[in-house]
Amino acid sequence: DAGVIQSPRHEVTEMGQEVTLRCKPISGHDYLFWYRQTMMRGLELLIYFNNNVPIDDSGMPEDRFSAKMPNASFSTLKIQPSEPRDSAVYFCASSLVRAGAFFGQGTRLTVV
Amino acid sequence: DAKTTQPNSMESNEEEPVHLPCNHSTISGTDYIHWYRQLPSQGPEYVIHGLTSNVNNRMASLAIAEDRKSSTLILHRATLRDAAVYYCILRDYIGGYNQGGKLIFGQGTELSVKP
Repeated sequence: DAGVIQSPRHEVTEMGQEVTLRCKPISGHDYLFWYRQTMMRGLELLIYFNNNVPIDDSGMPEDRFSAKMPNASFSTLKIQPSEPRDSAVYFCASSLVRAGAFFGQGTRLTVV
Repeated sequence: DAKTTQPNSMESNEEEPVHLPCNHSTISGTDYIHWYRQLPSQGPEYVIHGLTSNVNNRMASLAIAEDRKSSTLILHRATLRDAAVYYCILRDYIGGYNQGGKLIFGQGTELSVKP
Protein backbone atom coordinates (compact mmCIF):
# COMPACT_ATOMS: atom_id res chain seq x y z
CA ASP A 1 0.00 0.00 0.00
CA ALA A 2 1.25 3.50 -0.81
CA GLY A 3 0.28 4.85 2.57
CA VAL A 4 -1.94 7.85 3.21
CA ILE A 5 -1.87 10.15 0.20
CA GLN A 6 -2.59 13.86 0.49
CA SER A 7 -2.87 16.43 -2.24
CA PRO A 8 -1.75 19.00 -2.98
CA ARG A 9 1.55 19.06 -1.07
CA HIS A 10 1.69 22.84 -1.19
CA GLU A 11 -1.06 25.37 -1.77
CA VAL A 12 -0.75 29.12 -1.97
CA THR A 13 -3.99 31.01 -2.30
CA GLU A 14 -5.37 34.50 -1.86
CA MET A 15 -7.54 35.47 1.03
CA GLY A 16 -11.19 34.84 0.28
CA GLN A 17 -10.61 31.95 -2.10
CA GLU A 18 -11.92 28.44 -1.57
CA VAL A 19 -9.34 25.79 -0.72
CA THR A 20 -9.90 22.03 -0.96
CA LEU A 21 -7.48 19.56 0.57
CA ARG A 22 -7.72 15.89 -0.37
CA CYS A 23 -6.86 12.65 1.36
CA LYS A 24 -6.81 9.00 0.33
CA PRO A 25 -6.55 6.76 3.39
CA ILE A 26 -4.92 3.35 3.56
CA SER A 27 -7.24 0.71 2.14
CA GLY A 28 -9.19 -1.12 4.83
CA HIS A 29 -8.72 1.51 7.51
CA ASP A 30 -12.00 2.58 9.11
CA TYR A 31 -10.82 5.74 10.89
CA LEU A 32 -9.77 8.95 9.21
CA PHE A 33 -8.45 12.04 11.00
CA TRP A 34 -7.77 15.61 9.87
CA TYR A 35 -5.23 17.66 11.84
CA ARG A 36 -3.81 21.16 11.59
CA GLN A 37 -0.35 22.06 12.83
CA THR A 38 1.05 25.49 13.61
CA MET A 39 3.96 26.60 15.74
CA MET A 40 1.64 28.37 18.14
CA ARG A 41 -1.00 25.68 18.63
CA GLY A 42 0.81 22.44 17.89
CA LEU A 43 -1.05 19.51 16.33
CA GLU A 44 -4.81 20.04 16.61
CA LEU A 45 -7.46 17.46 15.77
CA LEU A 46 -10.05 19.10 13.52
CA ILE A 47 -12.43 16.23 12.80
CA TYR A 48 -12.44 12.47 12.59
CA PHE A 49 -14.57 9.87 10.83
CA ASN A 50 -15.42 6.25 11.58
CA ASN A 51 -16.73 4.21 8.67
CA ASN A 52 -17.18 7.43 6.69
CA VAL A 53 -19.37 9.01 9.41
CA PRO A 54 -18.12 12.16 11.19
CA ILE A 55 -17.80 11.33 14.89
CA ASP A 56 -16.41 14.55 16.36
CA ASP A 57 -16.02 17.86 14.55
CA SER A 58 -15.60 19.98 17.67
CA GLY A 59 -12.07 20.91 16.59
CA MET A 60 -13.23 22.58 13.38
CA PRO A 61 -12.44 26.23 14.06
CA GLU A 62 -15.35 27.87 12.27
CA ASP A 63 -18.16 27.36 9.82
CA ARG A 64 -15.70 28.24 7.09
CA PHE A 65 -14.25 24.75 7.54
CA SER A 66 -16.07 21.65 6.33
CA ALA A 67 -15.03 18.04 5.79
CA LYS A 68 -16.61 15.17 3.90
CA MET A 69 -15.93 11.51 3.43
CA PRO A 70 -18.17 10.33 0.56
CA ASN A 71 -16.62 6.85 0.55
CA ALA A 72 -14.01 4.76 2.32
CA SER A 73 -11.22 5.81 0.00
CA PHE A 74 -11.55 9.58 -0.15
CA SER A 75 -11.98 12.60 2.10
CA THR A 76 -11.85 16.36 1.61
CA LEU A 77 -11.30 19.31 3.91
CA LYS A 78 -12.62 22.56 2.52
CA ILE A 79 -12.03 26.12 3.68
CA GLN A 80 -14.33 28.78 2.26
CA PRO A 81 -13.47 31.61 2.39
CA SER A 82 -9.84 31.21 3.35
CA GLU A 83 -8.06 33.69 5.65
CA PRO A 84 -4.36 34.28 6.39
CA ARG A 85 -4.75 32.75 9.86
CA ASP A 86 -5.64 29.43 8.19
CA SER A 87 -2.03 29.13 7.03
CA ALA A 88 -0.71 25.89 8.50
CA VAL A 89 0.27 22.34 7.65
CA TYR A 90 -2.77 20.08 7.38
CA PHE A 91 -2.34 16.36 7.99
CA CYS A 92 -4.62 13.46 7.23
CA ALA A 93 -4.21 10.12 9.03
CA SER A 94 -5.98 6.76 8.91
CA SER A 95 -6.09 3.72 11.16
CA LEU A 96 -7.94 0.75 12.51
CA VAL A 97 -9.27 1.32 16.02
CA ARG A 98 -6.89 -1.10 17.74
CA ALA A 99 -3.84 -0.16 15.71
CA GLY A 100 -1.53 2.75 15.11
CA ALA A 101 -2.47 5.67 12.89
CA PHE A 102 -0.52 6.46 9.74
CA PHE A 103 -0.10 9.99 8.51
CA GLY A 104 0.17 11.53 5.10
CA GLN A 105 2.93 13.91 4.11
CA GLY A 106 0.75 16.91 4.82
CA THR A 107 -0.42 19.91 2.83
CA ARG A 108 1.33 23.18 3.53
CA LEU A 109 -1.28 25.91 3.07
CA THR A 110 -0.33 29.55 2.73
CA VAL A 111 -3.08 32.15 2.50
CA VAL A 112 -1.86 35.58 1.42
CA ASP B 1 -10.26 12.66 27.13
CA ALA B 2 -7.74 10.89 29.38
CA LYS B 3 -4.61 12.98 29.83
CA THR B 4 -0.93 12.15 29.63
CA THR B 5 2.01 13.99 31.18
CA GLN B 6 5.47 14.01 29.61
CA PRO B 7 8.63 16.01 30.26
CA ASN B 8 9.00 18.92 27.86
CA SER B 9 12.49 17.92 26.78
CA MET B 10 15.19 15.29 27.23
CA GLU B 11 18.74 14.87 26.08
CA SER B 12 20.63 11.73 25.23
CA ASN B 13 23.94 10.66 23.80
CA GLU B 14 24.26 8.85 20.52
CA GLU B 15 24.39 5.04 20.77
CA GLU B 16 23.07 5.05 24.34
CA PRO B 17 19.61 3.86 25.43
CA VAL B 18 16.87 6.42 25.97
CA HIS B 19 13.93 6.05 28.32
CA LEU B 20 11.06 8.43 27.63
CA PRO B 21 8.50 8.49 30.47
CA CYS B 22 4.77 9.12 30.32
CA ASN B 23 2.27 9.38 33.17
CA HIS B 24 -1.40 8.61 32.59
CA SER B 25 -2.98 8.18 36.00
CA THR B 26 -6.56 8.54 34.69
CA ILE B 27 -6.21 5.78 32.09
CA SER B 28 -9.33 3.68 31.59
CA GLY B 29 -9.52 -0.05 31.01
CA THR B 30 -10.23 0.43 27.31
CA ASP B 31 -7.38 2.83 26.56
CA TYR B 32 -4.47 1.74 24.44
CA ILE B 33 -1.17 3.56 25.05
CA HIS B 34 0.19 4.92 21.77
CA TRP B 35 3.53 6.53 20.97
CA TYR B 36 4.24 8.66 17.93
CA ARG B 37 7.15 10.82 16.95
CA GLN B 38 7.59 13.76 14.65
CA LEU B 39 10.94 14.45 13.07
CA PRO B 40 11.74 18.02 12.04
CA SER B 41 9.74 19.13 9.00
CA GLN B 42 7.93 15.80 8.72
CA GLY B 43 4.53 14.42 9.62
CA PRO B 44 3.91 12.36 12.76
CA GLU B 45 5.07 8.76 12.59
CA TYR B 46 3.61 5.81 14.47
CA VAL B 47 6.13 4.17 16.81
CA ILE B 48 4.40 1.58 18.98
CA HIS B 49 1.30 0.89 21.04
CA GLY B 50 0.20 -1.49 23.76
CA LEU B 51 -2.59 -2.29 26.18
CA THR B 52 -1.24 -4.16 29.20
CA SER B 53 1.85 -6.15 28.29
CA ASN B 54 5.23 -4.81 27.26
CA VAL B 55 5.67 -4.57 23.49
CA ASN B 56 8.69 -4.65 21.19
CA ASN B 57 9.06 -3.78 17.55
CA ARG B 58 11.90 -2.84 15.26
CA MET B 59 11.76 0.81 16.30
CA ALA B 60 11.39 0.67 20.07
CA SER B 61 10.09 -1.09 23.17
CA LEU B 62 7.15 -0.06 25.30
CA ALA B 63 7.22 -0.85 29.00
CA ILE B 64 3.84 -0.54 30.73
CA ALA B 65 3.55 -0.34 34.51
CA GLU B 66 1.52 -3.05 36.18
CA ASP B 67 -1.18 -0.55 37.24
CA ARG B 68 -1.04 1.00 33.73
CA LYS B 69 -0.72 4.50 35.19
CA SER B 70 2.61 5.08 33.53
CA SER B 71 4.65 3.81 30.62
CA THR B 72 8.12 4.21 29.17
CA LEU B 73 9.21 4.27 25.56
CA ILE B 74 12.66 2.75 25.21
CA LEU B 75 14.97 3.46 22.30
CA HIS B 76 17.69 0.88 22.70
CA ARG B 77 20.43 2.75 20.92
CA ALA B 78 19.76 6.37 20.07
CA THR B 79 20.95 7.73 16.76
CA LEU B 80 21.01 11.31 15.52
CA ARG B 81 17.99 10.41 13.39
CA ASP B 82 15.96 9.75 16.57
CA ALA B 83 15.98 13.46 17.47
CA ALA B 84 12.27 14.31 17.35
CA VAL B 85 9.22 15.21 19.42
CA TYR B 86 7.77 12.07 21.01
CA TYR B 87 4.08 11.95 21.85
CA CYS B 88 2.40 9.60 24.31
CA ILE B 89 -1.34 9.33 23.68
CA LEU B 90 -4.20 7.31 25.14
CA ARG B 91 -6.67 5.95 22.63
CA ASP B 92 -9.95 4.30 23.59
CA TYR B 93 -10.31 1.10 21.55
CA ILE B 94 -14.07 0.77 21.94
CA GLY B 95 -14.49 3.11 19.01
CA GLY B 96 -17.82 3.67 17.36
CA TYR B 97 -20.17 6.58 17.77
CA ASN B 98 -19.40 7.19 21.46
CA GLN B 99 -16.31 9.17 20.42
CA GLY B 100 -13.97 6.28 21.04
CA GLY B 101 -11.00 5.98 18.74
CA LYS B 102 -10.09 9.65 19.06
CA LEU B 103 -6.37 10.49 18.85
CA ILE B 104 -5.39 13.71 20.61
CA PHE B 105 -1.81 14.99 20.59
CA GLY B 106 -0.36 16.92 23.54
CA GLN B 107 2.92 18.82 23.63
CA GLY B 108 5.17 15.77 23.70
CA THR B 109 8.82 15.42 24.71
CA GLU B 110 11.45 16.99 22.52
CA LEU B 111 14.38 14.58 22.40
CA SER B 112 17.78 15.83 21.38
CA VAL B 113 20.62 13.42 20.64
CA LYS B 114 24.24 14.50 21.06
CA PRO B 115 26.97 12.92 18.94
